[in-house]
Amino acid sequence: EDQVTQSPEALRLQEGESSSLNCSYTVSGLRGLFWYRQDPGKGPEFLFTLYSAGEEKEKERLKATLTKKESFLHITAPKPEDSATYLCAVQAPWEGYQKVTFGTGTKLQVIP
Amino acid sequence: NAGVTQTPKFRVLKTGQSMTLLCAQDMNHEYMYWYRQDPGMGLRLIHYSVGEGTTAKGEVPDGYNVSRLKKQNFLLGLESAAPSQTSVYFCASSYSLWESGANVLTFGAGSRLTVL
Repeated sequence: EDQVTQSPEALRLQEGESSSLNCSYTVSGLRGLFWYRQDPGKGPEFLFTLYSAGEEKEKERLKATLTKKESFLHITAPKPEDSATYLCAVQAPWEGYQKVTFGTGTKLQVIP
Repeated sequence: NAGVTQTPKFRVLKTGQSMTLLCAQDMNHEYMYWYRQDPGMGLRLIHYSVGEGTTAKGEVPDGYNVSRLKKQNFLLGLESAAPSQTSVYFCASSYSLWESGANVLTFGAGSRLTVL
């Protein structure tokens, strides 16, 4: 069974204090790993797709990396507007389809 | 560009009542999905559709039914609501895999359902 584990569950940072969120996964036949951002009361919003170990993607203060067992979302000099829950998900074959399995997320709070 | 629109946003039901959640997308996506999100559980796939007129069961389909009569609409029905179905429901859509190679999902804003 595909599993996605995110840590920490919650993270509180001072504005400008860089850190990383972790996503560990166990999946047969990874087709892609995704990062989403979810604001309170809203649906998840797509950030990145990573396909193979060693791949990196960047967007503003966010940088996502991928190894064979985990992915990291690095946040450099965060701002209060980066506060949100960050979800990791993996895509893999499942019963003739390709299912996306989500982790439970890391709730990030950035304090001014 | 509206993206994915869900109605209603909030609903309170009594045990045993029925209801339908409506999802509409205007991006001409082939695939559509219904997820539920519960604290500590993450998003779980209820049902999905790979095209107009087709539906399939996801991880947690019991107690739910779906229909996709039009490409842009995906309906989720609860025939006899139970307190265990209290949750936030998200509809999502995506391009087909052969178009994109990856299931990048566009989500709606969610529908919060409480079953008393």
